[in-house]
Amino acid sequence: EAQVTQNPRYLITVTGKKLTVTCSQNMNHEYMSWYRQDPGLGLRQIYYSMNVEVTDKGDVPEGYKVSRKEKRNFPLILESPSPNQTSLYFCASSLDRADEQFFGPGTRLTVL
Amino acid sequence: SQQGEEDPQALSIQEGENATMNCSYKTSINNLQWYRQNSGRGLVHLILIRSNEREKHSGRLRVTLDTSKKSSSLLITASRAADTASYFCATDAGAGSYQLTFGKGTKLSVIP
Repeated sequence: EAQVTQNPRYLITVTGKKLTVTCSQNMNHEYMSWYRQDPGLGLRQIYYSMNVEVTDKGDVPEGYKVSRKEKRNFPLILESPSPNQTSLYFCASSLDRADEQFFGPGTRLTVL
Repeated sequence: SQQGEEDPQALSIQEGENATMNCSYKTSINNLQWYRQNSGRGLVHLILIRSNEREKHSGRLRVTLDTSKKSSSLLITASRAADTASYFCATDAGAGSYQLTFGKGTKLSVIP
């Protein structure tokens, strides 16, 4: 089944404790991206990747890192999480950035 | 920066009525997409309209695009309770940009 998976789905952590949210797609898509969704602000793009080893900042990259070592995986890293990073995070992939985006189920992160 | 902005923020209608949502954007685009999100879940792609298209249909959905006004509308005909969701438009920023930007969404409630 064609899908985007994210792990974990729910995470409660404390300020400063490094964490990684994994994202994997099985559709051989070139383009992958991370979004955060906050009430009243909609979805905001954090980082995106056009292909392996090619990434770029979205609208809200501060406090986040990404890597794209393999085509299928695009992990989101929070080196030192802070409470303002409490949010619902979505990973998405597509053949091209202009094509239909396939979204993962979301990761609800709470930073205390 | 938010490229697309949906209007209205919230819409409540009776089952069987039509629902119209609008999206305005700021810069030239290659295409515009509409997505649906059921509460807290990943977004689902509904329809993509290219900048050289004016209207597109998919089942009960009709999307129009007016590039001179930098606006798009999504019409859902004969609405059903299952259409209750948030709807988002997404735009790229035209040639040379790999970023995809979502609006804040319209929350549609269809009352049985």
